[in-house]
Amino acid sequence: GIQVEQSPPDLILQEGANSTLRCNFSDSVNNLQWFHQNPWGQLINLFYIPSGTKQNGRLSATTVATERYSLLYISSSQTTDSGVYFCAVAAIKAAGNKLTFGGGTRVLVKP
Amino acid sequence: NAGVTQTPKFRILKIGQSMTLQCTQDMNHNYMYWYRQDPGMGLKLIYYSVGAGITDKGEVPNGYNVSRSTTEDFPLRLELAAPSQTSVYFCASSSTGWGEQFFGPGTRLTVL
Repeated sequence: GIQVEQSPPDLILQEGANSTLRCNFSDSVNNLQWFHQNPWGQLINLFYIPSGTKQNGRLSATTVATERYSLLYISSSQTTDSGVYFCAVAAIKAAGNKLTFGGGTRVLVKP
Repeated sequence: NAGVTQTPKFRILKIGQSMTLQCTQDMNHNYMYWYRQDPGMGLKLIYYSVGAGITDKGEVPNGYNVSRSTTEDFPLRLELAAPSQTSVYFCASSSTGWGEQFFGPGTRLTVL
């Protein structure tokens, strides 16, 4: 099946810093989503972005489907950005929109 | 719209007991999914459904059963609970076979 790799696995930031999280995948996809899992375990949809660029406040994401990667940008980080960020993809050939999740990037933002 | 709702939020089971995790969505989505998340890991697909009466296995289906008698509901059944089923279970839905999936709040299950 499709492979999803996220980097870096861990990230420690000072409040106010910017960062880039990366998601590489091994096959063509028709769905790519970024999630934030907060310290209470809640899974929050950040972006649905199988291709192109989107922005939502201090967060933005870019997916280059032809090169099989996606980037999540966090600008002016805040302590509330702490948690785990997951990338998940659905391979076109798999059908059914079945998401495969990466291992996550654990982000800690220090005040 | 409430979106995707799951009950219960927490549950402790003894080895060998059975239970049903409930999932309901009010968005009239055809596609529904069950995932499990083990500590420190990403989510893995257990079962999914592309419409009422149609279900299929995901990556980790052993020890679970599902049914889909209505568009709204997609219950997950655990028979003969085992410690390996200690996990957080998430239900999700999407309107199409490629569209955004919306997730419920999760059920935290412990099997002792």
